[in-house]
Amino acid sequence: DTGVSQNPRHKITKRGQNVTFRCDPISEHNRLYWYRQTLGQGPEFLTYFQNEAQLEKSRLLSDRFSAERPKGSFSTLEIQRTEQGDSAMYLCASSLGGLTYEQYFGPGTRLTVT
Amino acid sequence: RKEVEQDPGPFNVPEGATVAFNCTYSNSASQSFFWYRQDCRKEPKLLMSVYSSGNEDGRFTAQLNRASQYISLLIRDSKLSDSATYLCVVNRLSGGSYIPTFGRGTSLIVHP
Repeated sequence: DTGVSQNPRHKITKRGQNVTFRCDPISEHNRLYWYRQTLGQGPEFLTYFQNEAQLEKSRLLSDRFSAERPKGSFSTLEIQRTEQGDSAMYLCASSLGGLTYEQYFGPGTRLTVT
Repeated sequence: RKEVEQDPGPFNVPEGATVAFNCTYSNSASQSFFWYRQDCRKEPKLLMSVYSSGNEDGRFTAQLNRASQYISLLIRDSKLSDSATYLCVVNRLSGGSYIPTFGRGTSLIVHP
């Protein structure tokens, strides 16, 4: 399967714990996006990378959130000191280039903070 | 006002019907518009890009109206398999960069 993959698919954690999610984009794609989606809403942009450079971060991304893409391939999204409001589906997408290119989404990581 | 707005629906239509959705955006500097489809508990998938001159793909037609700042999606001869949530995406200018901004989606239910 050469699509976008995300791990884990589900994560249940207690409030205050740290969690890390991984995204493996389509191999030739140089753009990688992270989104958060809650029930009944569209995906909300969090951040994106062009190769290994993080080019933009949403104001939604508090200092508890950090993302990396160290070698321009896979990416990780870490949430520190999780809160119940962080419960959501975290989606990763990749694309070949900029604005005019289709984004291919992974299946997402569903986070539940208890 | 939200940056990208969609009527959440649901739009409940019989098979064979024609249905249209609109998506309005607030930033006139926006560019690159898309429609994505999202099935229940699945990831979004591209349905079609929206070009300035309008474009058609089979039963689906997308249009852009820059003057009124909206994009539209028309589905003709609806099929049961068209039941899904339709998300519009607008790349809007924010702080010098273009950010992909999704609407909340419009739910379509096609019934026999």
